[in-house]
Amino acid sequence: DAKTTQPPSMDCAEGRAANLPCNHSTISGNEYVYWYRQIHSQGPQYIIHGLKNNETNEMASLIITEDRKSSTLILPHATLRDTAVYYCIVRRAGNQFYFGTGTSLTVIP
Amino acid sequence: DVKVTQSSRYLVKRTGEKVFLECVQDMDHENMFWYRQDPGLGLRLIYFSYDVKMKEKGDIPEGYSVSREKKERFSLILESASTNQTSMYLCASAQGGISGNTIYFGEGSWLTVV
Repeated sequence: DAKTTQPPSMDCAEGRAANLPCNHSTISGNEYVYWYRQIHSQGPQYIIHGLKNNETNEMASLIITEDRKSSTLILPHATLRDTAVYYCIVRRAGNQFYFGTGTSLTVIP
Repeated sequence: DVKVTQSSRYLVKRTGEKVFLECVQDMDHENMFWYRQDPGLGLRLIYFSYDVKMKEKGDIPEGYSVSREKKERFSLILESASTNQTSMYLCASAQGGISGNTIYFGEGSWLTVV
């Protein structure tokens, strides 16, 4: 049973907004949505998380649908350094963090 | 800043050897995790621990065991290493509770079993 579903890869032009979608249709009411990214050969890096409301920080914005079954991570002005694998995660009951296979984002000059 | 430190960055071990991967965190987190990462499969949870001496199986515990004798330290043990355990291993920690607590990762340990 899938916990999160993301497209395997996406491209984005440098300077444009990158919109990364995620489906989490089985999310429970008290489970948060997290986004991380991983640059090759490094540990994943935290980006943002949310429960119901949209969230914004210095790195990105997170848009969660009203039914909470999907979300979108927005990088407002993508740079070459944003090329990475992006993981959408829901925190399962029992404190587990479940990672899917992520979206490989390539920012093109 | 939270720091999760994995003792070895790169290891090469022989088939059948016993392998210890050590992880230490400095933020007094209750929860600690071990994942492995393989191309095309993403991060898969092996074991996690929500308290000292407590452990729970993740999605792929077979062939692994763990030890958490102190709050800050979580060890992954391969009793008899096999070639299909060649992978990148990631340790992580987080505060306890179901609410929004960020998980922090170490830099990873690349294990090759020959």
